Amino acid sequence: NAGVTQTPKFQVLKTGQSMTLQCAQDMNHNSMYWYRQDPGMGLRLIYYSASEGTTDKGEVPNGYNVSRLNKREFSLRLESAAPSQTSVYFCASGWVGDQPQHFGDGTRLSIL
Amino acid sequence: DQQVKQNSPSLSVQEGRISILNCDYTNSMFDYFLWYKKYPAEGPTFLISISSIKDKNEDGRFTVFLNKSAKHLSLHIVPSQPGDSAVYFCAASPKGGTSYGKLTFGQGTILTVHP
Repeated sequence: NAGVTQTPKFQVLKTGQSMTLQCAQDMNHNSMYWYRQDPGMGLRLIYYSASEGTTDKGEVPNGYNVSRLNKREFSLRLESAAPSQTSVYFCASGWVGDQPQHFGDGTRLSIL
Repeated sequence: DQQVKQNSPSLSVQEGRISILNCDYTNSMFDYFLWYKKYPAEGPTFLISISSIKDKNEDGRFTVFLNKSAKHLSLHIVPSQPGDSAVYFCAASPKGGTSYGKLTFGQGTILTVHP
């Protein structure tokens, strides 16, 4: 099925470890996004990429880096994980109007 | 500073009745509004949207109303079905330019539809 695929689905890290969350979309969208969802706070934008080769900060970018590898793939990296980064991370692609953002099923990340 | 607010954390309705979910926003630069539905352990799913040039948009059982002067939008579900039980998020996008598409989400409202 067409959509947004995120890997891994679950991950437990120790404080200070690094990891990369992967995201791929097959809908030929130019724009891709990374959000985090914390209890009671809805989804907050971490970084987004309006097109291949461009990235920009969202509302909560500190502690994260991103790479738009090609049109399909957009990765999120935690260089030195902290407990405050325990969250559910969602990747999305699309825009607004005729191309509303489509979301992956999320990566549940726990940092001990 | 919460620019998009859903003040009701939860809503419970009977099957067949109307569900009304509300959302308020403070940023006058928001130009496009969306509703998403989310089931546990899944990503949000797009439901319906409305541009600021309209005050109503319908899609089947779902209708979104926008009151720009009050900075308020609502989602009406008629009739409600048990399968509609989920968390509903409203989201807003600013006007064009580089920020277009950067969504700001509300906190979500848990809708429970009882058979």
